[in-house]
Amino acid sequence: DGGITQSPKYLFRKEGQNVTLSCEQNLNHDAMYWYRQDPGQGLRLIYYSQIVNDFQKGDIAEGYSVSREKKESFPLTVTSAQKNPTAFYLCASSASLEGSSNQPQHFGDGTRLSIL
Amino acid sequence: AQSVSQHNHHVILSEAASLELGCNYSYGGTVNLFWYVQYPGQHLQLLLKYFSGDPLVKGIKGFEAEFIKSKFSFNLRKPSVQWSDTAEYFCAARRDTGRRALTFGSGTRLQVQP
Repeated sequence: DGGITQSPKYLFRKEGQNVTLSCEQNLNHDAMYWYRQDPGQGLRLIYYSQIVNDFQKGDIAEGYSVSREKKESFPLTVTSAQKNPTAFYLCASSASLEGSSNQPQHFGDGTRLSIL
Repeated sequence: AQSVSQHNHHVILSEAASLELGCNYSYGGTVNLFWYVQYPGQHLQLLLKYFSGDPLVKGIKGFEAEFIKSKFSFNLRKPSVQWSDTAEYFCAARRDTGRRALTFGSGTRLQVQP
């Protein structure tokens, strides 16, 4: 079945530690996204990538980094510079802009990150 | 800056009651609009979407939404809710061109009592 796989489901981070959240998709989508979900605030965009080897900052990129070396993978690193990393992180993907403007985003099951 | 507002944060209804959840957006120009639902313990799922054409769109599970351009609104409706509709509902928007990422509202938690 095609879909988006996020791992791990739960992740714990110590103070000052960087952690990387995995996101893999087998939908052949060009575009991938990372959102952060906090209670009462909905989802906020961290980073997005519309094509391999290219990515753009979203609305709350500070303290995060990404890479897009392969079409199917878009890992997110939460760095020690992110002062309030405890949240639920959602990865999404969608078909490319060219000729596919009517495609919605598909979401993974999320990773819950907590600080020890 | 573009934004999406959902005015109802927590709604409690009895089964068979009618539902309307408000959503307003602040984009100018052509906009794509979405409603997503997140059932307890599950991932976000697309409920319905509007890109162009008939402003009344029908989605899954008996939900519908009406796009009213003059009011910058895209309210979600269902004539008769069921206990299984208990979930969190998110309105989202994006421009028709340019950045394809969605801007989400803060969500509405719907609790349907049997």
